[in-house]
Parts: sequence; structure tokens; C-alpha cells
Amino acid sequence: QKEVEQNSGPLSVPEGAIASLNCTYSDRGSQSFFWYRQYSGKSPELIMSIYSNGDKEDGRFTAQLNKASQYVSLLIRDSQPSDSATYLCAVRGSSASKIIFGSGTRLSIRP
Amino acid sequence: NAGVTQTPKFRILKIGQSMTLQCAQDMNHNYMYWYRQDPGMGLKLIYYSVGAGITDKGEVPNGYNVSRSTTEDFPLRLELAAPSQTSVYFCASSVPHGGDEQFFGPGTRLTVL
Repeated sequence: QKEVEQNSGPLSVPEGAIASLNCTYSDRGSQSFFWYRQYSGKSPELIMSIYSNGDKEDGRFTAQLNKASQYVSLLIRDSQPSDSATYLCAVRGSSASKIIFGSGTRLSIRP
Repeated sequence: NAGVTQTPKFRILKIGQSMTLQCAQDMNHNYMYWYRQDPGMGLKLIYYSVGAGITDKGEVPNGYNVSRSTTEDFPLRLELAAPSQTSVYFCASSVPHGGDEQFFGPGTRLTVL
């Protein structure tokens, strides 16, 4: 079992709709959870971090964490063409030092 | 602040050659990381360091070595390059337990022929 799993996509969403991205992780002791966005040929950039169960909202982005189900998700409301990118889920596990990434979900927003 | 810098940006190696990928950060971050990213894939952790003189293996350490003699620098050494090491290499740094955000360098695109 991979430590951090994501659907690779591509996920195609119409402009203005809600994009939903999902991630599961295997280490029950994981402490911190991150969503990074990566445009083609660029470095990853952090868009959301979440540390406790529930929802965390930042503008059009909402991160959701359910530690019992070992599941973290990212919702993007009012999707824009500029949201087209690969979204990487990352988890800091119980070792507290390592941050492990999933394989990423490619999101495409169609006009 | 320059943030995280990496050199070179691009490099082509022949099989069996060696090279060092340079990474430096000027944010006084304790934690530093090396990742590789194969085409269409996520990031795989190669090595990481929690401070000067302390390094540890990640998910895919074979074929690589690191050292951390200063807080600022974290070079990655490839010995006996193989085609399987063709990838984009990212260096990152973070402050431990202080937001946890990783700051990434621009990457080094390495091709081994």
C-alpha cells in the first residue's frame, strides 16, 4: 500500500463548477496535511495546510480532514481556467521529519 | 531573500558519470529535503536533513548521497549515473513545526544517456 494515494486523473471540470480532489494516507499517526499546486514545468507551491479534523477554508479553497478515515480532500469552488494544474497531496507522518507526496491529480478546467 | 536556489538548471550526463546537485537556502531553515519527480508523477523523497550534520534516507535513496555541513547547503551527489536517474530534482526547506510549509527551489532537470 502506498503511503499517500491520489487518483491521477485527469479530472475535467467546467468553469464555475466545484472541483473535488481526494487523498488517502496509510500512517495513522500522521500529523500534518498539505495541498500543493504545480503548474507544468514549475515547482510545487503550497495552497492549503490542515492539521485537525474538519474543514478549513481559504478563499475559493476548502481542505477537509477526516483522521478516522485517513482521508483528506480539497474543494475548489468557482473553478477558473487558471486552476488547471496538478494538485499534490502531502503528508507529514508520525516520524515528524519526513513529508511524503502522493502522485498528484491533474485538474483541467474547461471553458 | 533568494529563498531556495538550485544549480545547475539543466544537465546531461553519460552513464557512469558522477555529479553534485547544489541546493542552498538563506531562510535559516533547519529542515531540508531532496525529491525527484519523474514525468507525470508525484514527488519521491530521496534524502532529508533536520539540521547540520544530520541526514536520513527517504523513499528512494539508492544511487544518491547527501551531506549537510552547514544550515544553508544540502548538496545531492549522484555516483555512477544510470538512465533510471533521469528526472527533475527538487530541493526544499522548511521550518520545523512552524507552519510546516515547504519552500521549493526551481528544480534541476537531469538527463542520463
